[in-house]
Amino acid sequence: ILNVEQSPQSLHVQEGDSTNFTCSFPSSNFYALHWYRWETAKSPEALFVMTLNGDEKKKGRISATLNTKEGYSYLYIKGSQPEDSATYLCAFHNDYKLSFGAGTTVTVRA
Amino acid sequence: DTAVSQTPKYLVTQMGNDKSIKCEQNLGHDTMYWYKQDSKKFLKIMFSYNNKELIINETVPNRFSPKSPDKAHLNLHINSLELGDSAVYFCASSQEGASDNEQFFGPGTRLTVL
Repeated sequence: ILNVEQSPQSLHVQEGDSTNFTCSFPSSNFYALHWYRWETAKSPEALFVMTLNGDEKKKGRISATLNTKEGYSYLYIKGSQPEDSATYLCAFHNDYKLSFGAGTTVTVRA
Repeated sequence: DTAVSQTPKYLVTQMGNDKSIKCEQNLGHDTMYWYKQDSKKFLKIMFSYNNKELIINETVPNRFSPKSPDKAHLNLHINSLELGDSAVYFCASSQEGASDNEQFFGPGTRLTVL
C-alpha cells in the first residue's frame, strides 16, 4: 500500500486570496503524479499529470510543482474564486495503478 | 455526449442479492478501471482491464467479478452482497495504462446494501 498524504485535509479561503496545499508520496520508483479536481456531486476531473522532477504546470489560476527527489507536490490557486471550491486529489502512479490521497477540500468564501 | 457513463446511478438492494453495475466509455480508450470510494472517502483501485484483459486485481473478495465484453465496456458484478459493500463505485478509463495518461471518471454508482 503506497502512502500518499495530502495536507491540510480542508481549508477555507476568502475570495480573491491565494492558497496552496501539499501532496507527499514515496520518492522511490516514481512514474507520475496526477492532480484531480472533484466537485461535489460530480466525478473527478484531471488537472495535471506530472512526470519530471522540477516540473511546473499551469491551467488558468491553478498551478502545480513537483519534487520527485523529496516526494512532494504543491498545488497553488491564485486569486481564489467560489467556483474553485472542490476537493483536490493527488494520485501517485506506480505499478500500473494510481494510489490516491484523501484530498484537500477547498471552500472559497465570497 | 457523456464520455464515461455508469448505470445505475443509485442501487439499493438487500443483503445476499446479486447485482451488476455497468460502465461504458466512448473515448476509444484501451484501459478501464473500477474504484471503490471507502468510508474515509479514499478512492481505491479494485480492477483494471486493458483491451479486455485483466491487468490489475487488488485484494478484492471473489464475490466481485469484472467482465469486459469489449474494450468500451467494463461491468462489475457482485454476488452475495454484504453490508460492507455499501459504497460509491467509480468507473474510469484512460488511453492505455501508461503513467502519464490522465484517467476519465464516470459519475459513480452509490450502492446501498440493507
